[in-house]
Amino acid sequence: EAQVTQNPRYLITVTGKKLTVTCSQNMNHEYMSWYRQDPGLGLRQIYYSMNVEVTDKGDVPEGYKVSRKEKRNFPLILESPSPNQTSLYFCASSLSVRGGSNQPQHFGDGTRLSIL
Amino acid sequence: QKEVEQDPGPLSVPEGAIVSLNCTYSNSAFQYFMWYRQYSRKGPELLMYTYSSGNKEDGRFTAQVDKSSKYISLFIRDSQPSDSATYLCAMSGRTGNQFYFGTGTSLTVIP
Repeated sequence: EAQVTQNPRYLITVTGKKLTVTCSQNMNHEYMSWYRQDPGLGLRQIYYSMNVEVTDKGDVPEGYKVSRKEKRNFPLILESPSPNQTSLYFCASSLSVRGGSNQPQHFGDGTRLSIL
Repeated sequence: QKEVEQDPGPLSVPEGAIVSLNCTYSNSAFQYFMWYRQYSRKGPELLMYTYSSGNKEDGRFTAQVDKSSKYISLFIRDSQPSDSATYLCAMSGRTGNQFYFGTGTSLTVIP
């Protein structure tokens, strides 16, 4: 089954304790992206990756890191989490977004992070 | 000013009604327009995907894009209780590597 898998689905942690949210897709997609979803603000793009070893900032990258060492995986790293990063996070992937061949995104089911 | 504006609702309609959902945007560079449906505790799933202006129909769903007015719409005909969800509009520019979402409209279809 084609899917985007995020882990963990839920996490409660404390300020300053480094954490990683993993994202994996099995569709051989080139493009992957991370979003956070907050009430009244909608989905906002954190980072995206056009392909392996190619990453770029979205609208709200502060406090986050990403890496793309393999095509299927795109982990989101919070080096020193703070309470304002409490949110619902989504990973997404699509076949390609190069040269106008924009393809719609497939989303995971989300990771709810609470930073105390 | 936000890139994309969407009325959050909530919107409540009787079963069988025609539903109209709308978004406006400010960036004239947007060329790709999408509608996603999001059920509670799930990720958004793609409903409609259009390029530039015009209409696109898929079953009970019709997407309209008016680039001159920077306005997009999603129409749902013969609405069903299973259509109850949050609907998100999204758009991107020519390079397609950054996406901008509306805040979502919550829809309830009453049997």
